[in-house]
Amino acid sequence: SQQGEEDPQALSIQEGENATMNCSYKTSINNLQWYRQNSGRGLVHLILIRSNEREKHSGRLRVTLDTSKKSSSLLITASRAADTASYFCATDARRSGGSNYKLTFGKGTLLTVNP
Amino acid sequence: ETGVTQTPRHLVMGMTNKKSLKCEQHLGHNAMYWYKQSAKKPLELMFVYNFKEQTENNSVPSRFSPECPNSSHLFLHLHTLQPEDSALYLCASSQFSGSSTGELFFGEGSRLTVL
Repeated sequence: SQQGEEDPQALSIQEGENATMNCSYKTSINNLQWYRQNSGRGLVHLILIRSNEREKHSGRLRVTLDTSKKSSSLLITASRAADTASYFCATDARRSGGSNYKLTFGKGTLLTVNP
Repeated sequence: ETGVTQTPRHLVMGMTNKKSLKCEQHLGHNAMYWYKQSAKKPLELMFVYNFKEQTENNSVPSRFSPECPNSSHLFLHLHTLQPEDSALYLCASSQFSGSSTGELFFGEGSRLTVL
């Protein structure tokens, strides 16, 4: 399976600290995406990093991708209570034997930022 | 507001009922998706439609029947469901380029409870 696996499953930090979440996957990918989900709501796309990119920034977010290790990390700097949510990585890859692409999600990391 | 609207937000049904979930996207995208989100499990891709044609049926039981009358609307018809089908059903859309799934835009979800 090319499913992403996030680590840790849960993370609790204080406001102002940095939060780092990791994602590992098993097969070659086209791109890797990170999403955020507030409790009971839909997912919101945060950032997409292509397989030929190594690092990407968006505001307080920094994503790295190491295709040799099949892993990615999401860093949220100077966290705020409003960053409390679940964070998912999703790998986009060509389906085996087919021409379609499939985006596969991991189970997510639950981040709690305490005021 | 993500541009993807799902109705109803909450649905309670008995195992013998027939109901439908509706999704509408206002983003001009050419692909639409149904995902199922259960507690403690990764998001499960159920169905994918590209240009109104179903391109993915991820071994979903026949008690779930999708319909895509045009590229802006997607339905999920439900009948004779089981209690284990209780979950958050998420609709998403994207601009599929042929070389990537692209960024997904999710609705807020329909919380289904089967009694």
